[in-house]
Amino acid sequence: EMQLVESGGGLVQPGGSLRLSCAASGFTVSGNHMAWVRQAPGKGLEWVSVIYAGEDTYHADSVKGRFTISRHNVNNTLHLQMNSLRPEDTAVYYCARVLQSGDAFDVWGQGTLVSVSS
Amino acid sequence: EIVLTQSPATLSLSLGERATLSCRASQSVTSYLAWYQHIPGQAPRLLIHHAFTRATGVPARFSGSRSGSDFTLTISSLEPEDFAVYYCQYRTNWPPIFTFGPGTTVDIK
Repeated sequence: EMQLVESGGGLVQPGGSLRLSCAASGFTVSGNHMAWVRQAPGKGLEWVSVIYAGEDTYHADSVKGRFTISRHNVNNTLHLQMNSLRPEDTAVYYCARVLQSGDAFDVWGQGTLVSVSS
Repeated sequence: EIVLTQSPATLSLSLGERATLSCRASQSVTSYLAWYQHIPGQAPRLLIHHAFTRATGVPARFSGSRSGSDFTLTISSLEPEDFAVYYCQYRTNWPPIFTFGPGTTVDIK
């Protein structure tokens, strides 16, 4: 069974950093495109970052220059390094697998909550 | 920048009724449109990709269609587990940017 489990969320002050992790089972992160999607309280879904199997990465304008997506192939884990955090980054962060066609997210984790507040 | 508009914002229906959800793109798009179901507290679930293709394990009562820049998700007969928020999502070709619509809530009438 394919599964994604996020960890690393928590409370952080504005300007702080946090590193999210997402452990995959049932498939390899190295052979797939992977992404992070978030949902702020009371809001809809928002794409954050994607890493393609060929290592190209892309980020939403709202996080560009502050967030970095990466993967650790040996541990079969996806990461999101979040720096210079802002209150508007408060959200549940989901990791997701991207279809091989590259256009949609077919496997999702349960999410991890990040709260940015003083 | 492509903007997705979903209508209605809320759809109140009874069990067994047909649900028709709309998603309109702000400009001409390809068929790289997907639909998701999201029950609060759970992981989102992919229902439809490439506008028409049901994802693995999705019941046949869910179907997707397209007319120009207008996309439709139809649930032919609502089951109790179908009451949720539904999002459409599009990916631009280059650079790859994934955009979600604001969502349609399907609740029990």
